[in-house]
Amino acid sequence: SQTIHQWPATLVQPVGSPLSLECTVEGTSNPNLYWYRQAAGRGLQLLFYSVGIGQISSEVPQNLSASRPQDRQFILSSKKLLLSDSGFYLCAWSWGRVDTGELFFGEGSRLTVL
Amino acid sequence: DQQVKQNSPSLSVQEGRISILNCDYTNSMFDYFLWYKKYPAEGPTFLISISSIKDKNEDGRFTVFLNKSAKHLSLHIVPSQPGDSAVYFCAASVGSNDYKLSFGAGTTVTVRA
Repeated sequence: SQTIHQWPATLVQPVGSPLSLECTVEGTSNPNLYWYRQAAGRGLQLLFYSVGIGQISSEVPQNLSASRPQDRQFILSSKKLLLSDSGFYLCAWSWGRVDTGELFFGEGSRLTVL
Repeated sequence: DQQVKQNSPSLSVQEGRISILNCDYTNSMFDYFLWYKKYPAEGPTFLISISSIKDKNEDGRFTVFLNKSAKHLSLHIVPSQPGDSAVYFCAASVGSNDYKLSFGAGTTVTVRA
């Protein structure tokens, strides 16, 4: 069976510090990978998605970046965090097109920037 | 710009009664719709979906209705159970832009015993 894990689960960081959130998928190959963010009172906002190693599509201009160094690994990074980066970050994967199935989400990472 | 809107941030319903969650969308190109359920401190999990070629899809206690002319869909939970207390997200995708889902802000459902 397929599993997805992301870490850390909780993170408190000062403004201006770097960020690295990691996500790995097991039990499948060549998944589509996604990073979403849920800010307070808002829906899930797609930040990045990747359909293959080294292929990253950015949806929202911001100070965040994503990388996919391996087939089943997706990393969300920032060089300098802003207060507005606080939120609940979710990694997800899909078999392929989302209109033929659904997204499978990780447990989430709660980021608080102080 | 929110293309998927859930205008009711919360809903309280008595156990055994029907829960009706509403979702509106603005993008007429959306042709696939999903509902996700989320418990605190967990990632969302898929609940039910519907393609634009249908107007109803049923799975056990959950039924999704789609009204394309009104750009509106709803999720019915009958009967509501305490374990249904969660945040429900409506999501939509465009067939030609099929790697992304647009999510609504969510509706928090509380089922009272």
